[in-house]
Amino acid sequence: DTAVSQTPKYLVTQMGNDKSIKCEQNLGHDTMYWYKQDSKKFLKIMFSYNNKELIINETVPNRFSPKSPDKAHLNLHINSLELGDSAVYFCASSQPGTGGSTDTQYFGPGTRLTVL
Amino acid sequence: GEDVEQSLFLSVREGDSSVINCTYTDSSSTYLYWYKQEPGAGLQLLTYIFSNMDMKQDQRLTVLLNKKDKHLSLRIADTQTGDSAIYFCAESANDYKLSFGAGTTVTVRA
Repeated sequence: DTAVSQTPKYLVTQMGNDKSIKCEQNLGHDTMYWYKQDSKKFLKIMFSYNNKELIINETVPNRFSPKSPDKAHLNLHINSLELGDSAVYFCASSQPGTGGSTDTQYFGPGTRLTVL
Repeated sequence: GEDVEQSLFLSVREGDSSVINCTYTDSSSTYLYWYKQEPGAGLQLLTYIFSNMDMKQDQRLTVLLNKKDKHLSLRIADTQTGDSAIYFCAESANDYKLSFGAGTTVTVRA
């Protein structure tokens, strides 16, 4: 069973459209994340939710809106897509605690978004 | 990212050892990680080390941490063609954020 899953795997769309990417984790983790990987493979965090509450919001345009309906899901909605939004978006989850593998993040397979 | 730096490319002969180096700036880093990304795939956690450790060994992987110099390395013994991938160093300071390096592309040649 896939621990962190994302849909769709590929998304091709026109500039100006609105699209969503879904993420689900079955690890029972409290914290979920969205990362963006650009064409140079550089990975940067966008958002993090802990128990459905937003805890990290990096300088991301407000066209990007994460939504966490429950602890196991963190979806990413993007309005008015721009060419520069083309990237691979990774979802991740972790279970903060004490000791051991605290903060270890497990990543989904990624969604490759192409904006034409 | 600017807080974590890695060399971009490494070419190694099959059977040799690979050493990937990483430096970081945040002295409050608690955990340091190595992730592997194969072409077209997601990130796979390879190993991690807690900041109060100097070394961790896991089968063919050896992680060395020099906290004074803020230097982390990953050694892969007996490198195989399946080890060809991008390797990311990442650090976490218990603030829920992972800061990644730019990734080192490892190419294994026969």
